[in-house]
Amino acid sequence: EVQLVESGGGLVQPGGSLRVSCAASGFILRNYWMTWVRQAPGKGLEWVANINGDGSEQNYMESVKGRFTISRDNAKNSLFLQMSSLRADDTAVYYCARDLYFGKLDTWGQGTLVTVSS
Amino acid sequence: IVMTQTPLSLSVAPGQPASISCKSSQSLLQSDGKTYLYWYLQKAGQSPQLLIYEVSSRFSGVPDRFSGSGSGTDFTLKISRVEAEDVGVYYCLEGTHLKTFGQGTKVEIK
Repeated sequence: EVQLVESGGGLVQPGGSLRVSCAASGFILRNYWMTWVRQAPGKGLEWVANINGDGSEQNYMESVKGRFTISRDNAKNSLFLQMSSLRADDTAVYYCARDLYFGKLDTWGQGTLVTVSS
Repeated sequence: IVMTQTPLSLSVAPGQPASISCKSSQSLLQSDGKTYLYWYLQKAGQSPQLLIYEVSSRFSGVPDRFSGSGSGTDFTLKISRVEAEDVGVYYCLEGTHLKTFGQGTKVEIK
């Protein structure tokens, strides 16, 4: 069964850093682009970043460029999102998703909540 | 890219049709000739799920009461006969450019 499980969310102070992870199983991770999507409480979905199969290409939404880094460890079947200089408006549930191509997100994790607050 | 969905909420009686519009600020036609416009449904308390890909193709397991249409900048998701299980928030996503979701359309049963 294809499955994605996020972890690492929590409470962090403004200006702080946090790394969330996504464990993949049931498929060969290196064969797929992977994506992070977030959802602020009570709000809509927001595409955050994606990364190609070997990790050589990353794309980011404008508001996280320079603050967030997407990476992967295919040998450990894991995807990461390193977040720094966190702001209150980064508070959200962060979902990882498998991207078949050009935004075709066929499998999603259950999400992990990141709360930025003092 | 700005993706604009209308309406933002919809109340539909069971068995009645529903239609959601999604307009993009730029054409979603890619240089390869394909249009990367998707529809996702997020049910309460759940992760989003893919319904429609490339404007009009139903994803595996999606009932045929769901259909997508459109081209260029104007797209529509239609539900031919709404059922109770269709309740949730529907999002369009453009995959041609940097990937942008619409604001979402909340569908409820009347």
